[in-house]
Parts: sequence; structure tokens; C-alpha cells
Amino acid sequence: EPEVTQTPSHQVTQMGQEVILRCVPISNHLYFYWYRQILGQKVEFLVSFYNNEISEKSEIFDDQFSVERPDGSNFTLKIRSTKLEDSAMYFCASSDRGVGNTIYFGEGSWLTVV
Amino acid sequence: SQQGEEDPQALSIQEGENATMNCSYKTSINNLQWYRQNSGRGLVHLILIRSNEREKHSGRLRVTLDTSKKSSSLLITASRAADTASYFCATASGTYKYIFGTGTRLKVLA
Repeated sequence: EPEVTQTPSHQVTQMGQEVILRCVPISNHLYFYWYRQILGQKVEFLVSFYNNEISEKSEIFDDQFSVERPDGSNFTLKIRSTKLEDSAMYFCASSDRGVGNTIYFGEGSWLTVV
Repeated sequence: SQQGEEDPQALSIQEGENATMNCSYKTSINNLQWYRQNSGRGLVHLILIRSNEREKHSGRLRVTLDTSKKSSSLLITASRAADTASYFCATASGTYKYIFGTGTRLKVLA
């Protein structure tokens, strides 16, 4: 069964450093998402992306965050200058018809900012 | 107020028993999905139920949706130790995002 893959699975970074989290969505999907989950808390929406542009973003997704689809297969989340509170599991997801259909999630990238 | 609140927050049952989790939401929805998350892992899709559906089944899972009460329930029958996980409902809000509830932590005791 097709799946969303994410790399790295775990990254430790110094506060203030830039981090790029990578995702390969399911190949025929057109809608892409990033969510995050701080340890023990709920899954929070960050951003959705369709047709090479951001469709919607949450208030968490401030100027420190950016997303990009650099080629036909990858979808990246960049955090420009990490803060301690950015420590979380970051999930990439994709779907073929937006919220009209199932959204499939990757296994997540666990980011620890020290 | 949050879109998507599950209750109970935690549930502990014996293997073989049924587990019922509830989700309430605030605004109109297009559809609602249930996900499972094992500790430290990704979100696994279980069932999608659309706003014009009242009930759906998938194996040992049964999901109901009551749009008049803005609530959904997930029933797991004949639970197994492997069902131990957190369960989340997610509601389609607008066109481009799902909002997740706070989750129910289910523990099935062998």
C-alpha cells in the first residue's frame, strides 16, 4: 500500500539553527499537509499546500516556518531559527482530494531542540 | 472551545470487552475521520464517515455520526491487547484542513 515517508525520523538541533524536514507524499496525491504534536498533546494543524501554494495555515505557522515542493516528489518544512518550544513530532500528510477524502500520515519526524 | 473533543480521555478495559469512545465537535463538518496512534508512532487512518452517513463498519470497528448532536462514536468490539493506543477524531473544517480532537487513550489489559 502506498505510504507517506518522512526523513529524518529523529533530529536533534541547537536552538537557533535551521531545520528542514522532508516528506515524500503518496505519488498521485495533490494536497499536502504538515501537522505537529508536542509530547503528550493534541495533533495541531500547521499548513496545507495545494497547486504549489499554501492553501491555509494556522497561527503556529509564523514567519519562522516555510514549506516548499522543490520537485515532483518531495515536500519540505523548514524552520528557520528553531526555538525550544519547536520540539515536537512533525507529521506530513497527503490526500488526493483534500478534505473530501482520507488524509494519510507519515510516521513523523521527531525534532528535539536543545 | 475546541473542534473535536473526545471522551473519555482515558479508558482501561479487559481483553474481549468492547470499547466506546466519543467525539463532539462545534461547527458543521463535511466528514469526520478516526485515527489510531500507537505511542510515538504515526497516525493510522481507521474510518472516514461523511456528513450524510449515520453509521459505518470496518472489521471490529463501528463508527456512528449524529450531526444533530454534533457527535460521533467509535466502538471497538472484542478488544485485543494490540488495540492499546490513542484514538483521535478529526473533523474536516473548511476546504483545506482537518482539526484533531484531544484523543482517548485506550489500554486493553490481557
